[in-house]
Amino acid sequence: DIQLTQSPSFLSASVGDRVTVTCRASQGISSFLAWYQQKPGKAPKLLIYAASTLHSGVPSRFSGSGSGTEFTLTISSLQPEDFATYYCQQLNSYPRTFGQGTRLEIK
Amino acid sequence: EVQLLESGGGLVQPGGSLRLSCAASGFTFSNYAMSWVRQAPGKGLEWVSTISGSGGITFYAASVKGRFTISRDNSKNTLYLQMNSLRAEDTAIYSCAKGLTTEGSNFYYYMDVWGKGTTVTVSS
Repeated sequence: DIQLTQSPSFLSASVGDRVTVTCRASQGISSFLAWYQQKPGKAPKLLIYAASTLHSGVPSRFSGSGSGTEFTLTISSLQPEDFATYYCQQLNSYPRTFGQGTRLEIK
Repeated sequence: EVQLLESGGGLVQPGGSLRLSCAASGFTFSNYAMSWVRQAPGKGLEWVSTISGSGGITFYAASVKGRFTISRDNSKNTLYLQMNSLRAEDTAIYSCAKGLTTEGSNFYYYMDVWGKGTTVTVSS
C-alpha cells in the first residue's frame, strides 16, 4: 500500500499568512493526488485534483504542486474560513490512501 | 444541485450486519463512479470501497474485503454498502462520495461531492 505522510500534523497561523502543507508518498504516484478540506462536523470538500488543478468554485488563494512523491498545498493568504483540517489522498493505485491530516488553527 | 443522503446507520452488535444506502440526486447517477469513505471518531479519513458507474467494477480496502459489498441500483439512483461480520473497529461515520467526471477521463475516480454521512456503532 502507498503511505502518505503529511507535514506538519498541526499548524498554527494568522489571518493573512501564507502556509504550506506537504504530502509525501512512499512511492511515486505521478500526479494522482487530491487535497480536501474538512471542517468539524462537515463533509470534506475537494480543493485540488491531479496535484495542481483547482476544483471549480475553490478560491484562487489555494494552489497545489508536485509530482512523483512530494506534493504541496499552499494557501497564499489565510482567511478566517480556511481554518480546518486538510487531507491529501492518492489515486494512483488501490487501495486509495489518505494522509493523516493537517490541522490548521488560528494563532 | 448535487445531493447525497446516507441512511441505514445505527448500533449493531459485533458480528452483526447493516446495509447503508446513499440516495443521489442532481446528476445522472449511472454516469459516475461512487465511493464509500469512513471516519472513526476523532480520526482521519479511510477509503472503504469504490464502484464504477455501471456497477461492473468494484474495489475494496483490505480491512473490509470479504465482509463488505458495494453495489448500486441505477434505476433508483441509490448506492449501497452491505456490511457483514461487523467489528468494533468498523465504528465510524460512513459517507458516500461522487466521482468527479464521467467515465473515460483520468479524473473519473476522484471524489468531488460527499454526503454528510451516517453513523455506525459496533458495540455489545
